[in-house]
Amino acid sequence: DAMVIQNPRYQVTQFGKPVTLSCSQTLNHNVMYWYQQKSSQAPKLLFHYYDKDFNNEADTPDNFQSRRPNTSFCFLDIRSPGLGDAAMYLCATEGQKLQETQYFGPGTRLLVL
Amino acid sequence: QKEVEQDPGPLSVPEGAIVSLNCTYSNSAFQYFMWYRQYSRKGPELLMYTYSSGNKEDGRFTAQVDKSSKYISLFIRDSQPSDSATYLCATRPSGNTGKLIFGQGTTLQVKP
Repeated sequence: DAMVIQNPRYQVTQFGKPVTLSCSQTLNHNVMYWYQQKSSQAPKLLFHYYDKDFNNEADTPDNFQSRRPNTSFCFLDIRSPGLGDAAMYLCATEGQKLQETQYFGPGTRLLVL
Repeated sequence: QKEVEQDPGPLSVPEGAIVSLNCTYSNSAFQYFMWYRQYSRKGPELLMYTYSSGNKEDGRFTAQVDKSSKYISLFIRDSQPSDSATYLCATRPSGNTGKLIFGQGTTLQVKP
């Protein structure tokens, strides 16, 4: 059974048209992460939530926002996608013991036309 | 200098070969080390997780950490075509809030 679910798996949007990616988890983990991964590159952390506490990476563009309405769901909003935002977006979760590991979802591949 | 360096490959081996994948890191504060496997167009899945120095074995996979040289390795014995994927090393310091530092990933192809 899928533990970290991302929807949609593929998203096509137009330049400048807002888009929302979603992530849900059945693990009841209190930490959720959003990563951006471009082709042949390492995943790059955008931000994470520790419960409701939002933690933004210093180099994450303002164009990227996130919401976590409850423990199970987390959303990534891209307010005005540019061509450079085309990438795989990965959601990950982590349990109470921070020195454990992160469980990744299958990712959403975003294409910007 | 990147915090974690990993040769991107690609690495191509025949089925049954022993595969060695390696990373180096720069920060001696890193304490936790992970290897993730990522199939094409999928999310990373955890393969191995080690703390500090030493070896850890799980089936055909062995993870090795040498903190004195800041070197981490993943060995795959009796490699199979299904092992063909990108392998990402990752690390984090002790007490960190959760951020993983990833290597670039090494693409492995195991030919039948």
